[in-house]
Amino acid sequence: EDQVTQSPEALRLQEGESSSLNCSYTVSGLRGLFWYRQDPGKGPEFLFTLYSAGEEKEKERLKATLTKKESFLHITAPKPEDSATYLCAANSGAGSYQLTFGKGTKLSVIP
Amino acid sequence: KAGVTQTPRYLIKTRGQQVTLSCSPISGHRSVSWYQQTPGQGLQFLFEYFSETQRNKGNFPGRFSGRQFSNSRSEMNVSTLELGDSALYLCASSPPLEKKNIQYFGAGTRLSVL
Repeated sequence: EDQVTQSPEALRLQEGESSSLNCSYTVSGLRGLFWYRQDPGKGPEFLFTLYSAGEEKEKERLKATLTKKESFLHITAPKPEDSATYLCAANSGAGSYQLTFGKGTKLSVIP
Repeated sequence: KAGVTQTPRYLIKTRGQQVTLSCSPISGHRSVSWYQQTPGQGLQFLFEYFSETQRNKGNFPGRFSGRQFSNSRSEMNVSTLELGDSALYLCASSPPLEKKNIQYFGAGTRLSVL
C-alpha cells in the first residue's frame, strides 16, 4: 500500500526564519512527487512536480528536492503570506493519476 | 482561462439521502479525479475518469460512484449518506500526461450530513 508521511504536522516560524518541511514516501513505482499549497476554504494550489532522485525545483522562496525515499520543501526567508498548509502527494498511476497525499504541514509565519 | 469549477459549493443533507456533485474541468483537460478531504484522514483518492471511462479507483465503498460525460464534465454521486461522509469533496483536472504532469484543483464542495 502506498504511503506518504509529512512532518512536522505544524510549524511556526518568525518572518525571515528559514526551515524545511519533510515528506517521506513509500510508493510502488513513483510517477511524480507533487507539492501543493492549500489556503483555508480553498482547493490545493499546484507548486511543483519532481520525478527523479536529485531533482530540484524553485519558485520564489520555495525549493523542492527529491531523494529515493523523501522530498523536502525548503522555505527561505518566509513571509506571513507563506502561511498555509503544504501538501505532498505521490502519483503511482501508470500513465494516469492516482495520488496518495500526506496529511500536510500547517505553516504559520509570524511577523 | 477558467479554472476547475465545482458546484454546488455547499450542501447539507440528512442520513440516508443521496447527493450528486458536479465538476467542470479546465478546457482541453480530459482527465478528472475526485478526492475526499477530512480533518482526520486528509485527502483521499476516490477515482479518476478519462474519456468517459473510470481509469483508477480508490478504496471507497460502492456507495461512491462517478461518471464523465463526452464534454469531460464529471459528476460524483454518494448514495445512502452516512454522517462520516461529511467532508470537502475536491475535483481535479489534468492535461495530457505527455504535456504536463499536474493536477489542478477546484475549490471543492463542502458536504455536511446531519
